[in-house]
Amino acid sequence: DIQMTQSPSSLSASVGDRVTITCRASQSIINYLNWYQQKPGKAPKLLIYAASSLQSGVPSRFSGSGSGTDFTLTISRLQPEDFATYFCQQSYSAPQWTFGQGTKVEMK
Amino acid sequence: QVQLVQSGAEVKKPGASVKVSCKVSGYTLTELSIHWVRQTPGKGLEWMGGFDPVDGETVYEQKFQGRVNMTEDTSTDTVYMELSSLRSEDTAVYYCATLHYYAPGWIFNFWGQGTLVTVSS
Repeated sequence: DIQMTQSPSSLSASVGDRVTITCRASQSIINYLNWYQQKPGKAPKLLIYAASSLQSGVPSRFSGSGSGTDFTLTISRLQPEDFATYFCQQSYSAPQWTFGQGTKVEMK
Repeated sequence: QVQLVQSGAEVKKPGASVKVSCKVSGYTLTELSIHWVRQTPGKGLEWMGGFDPVDGETVYEQKFQGRVNMTEDTSTDTVYMELSSLRSEDTAVYYCATLHYYAPGWIFNFWGQGTLVTVSS
C-alpha cells in the first residue's frame, strides 16, 4: 500500500496568514494527489485534484503544487471559514485509495 | 447534483454485524460508482471498498476482506455496507461517497452525511 504522511498534524494560525501543509507519498504517485477539507461533523469536501487543479467553486486562495512524492497545499490568506482539517489522498494505486492522517488548522 | 443520504446511528455489541444504507438521488445507481470510507480518531480516513467501474466488480481493502459486504438495490438506488464480527476498533463514522474519474486520477466527489457506528458491550 502507498502510505501518505502529512505534516504538521496541527498548526495554529491567524486570519490573513499564509498557511502551508505538506503531504509525502511513500512512492512516486506522479500527480495523482487530491486535497479535501473537513469541518467538524461534516463530510470531507474536495478542494484540489490532480495536485494543482482547483475544484469548481473553491476559492482561489487555495492552491496545490508538487509531483512525485512531495506535495503542498497552500492557503494564501487564511479566512475564518478555513479553520478545518485538511486531508490528502492518492489515486495512483487504483482501485486502492489511501489518505493522509490529516492536518488540523486552528485559530491562534 | 448527486445527493447521498445515509441511515442513522447504530450501537452494536462486539461480535455483532451492522448494515448501513446509502440512498442516491439526482442520478441512478447504474451511473455511479459508490465507495465506503470510514473515519476513526486513531486512523483518520480509511477507504473500505466500493464498485470499481473499470472492472465492473466490487473491490475491498484487504484488511476488511471476509468481514465486509457491499451490495446494491438498483430498484431503490440504495447501496448497503455490512460489516460483521464487530470489535471496539470498528467504532467510527462510516461515509458513502461517489468515485469519479477526473483525469488523470480519481476523486471522491460527493459524500453522504456519515453514519456513526458505536461498538460497545
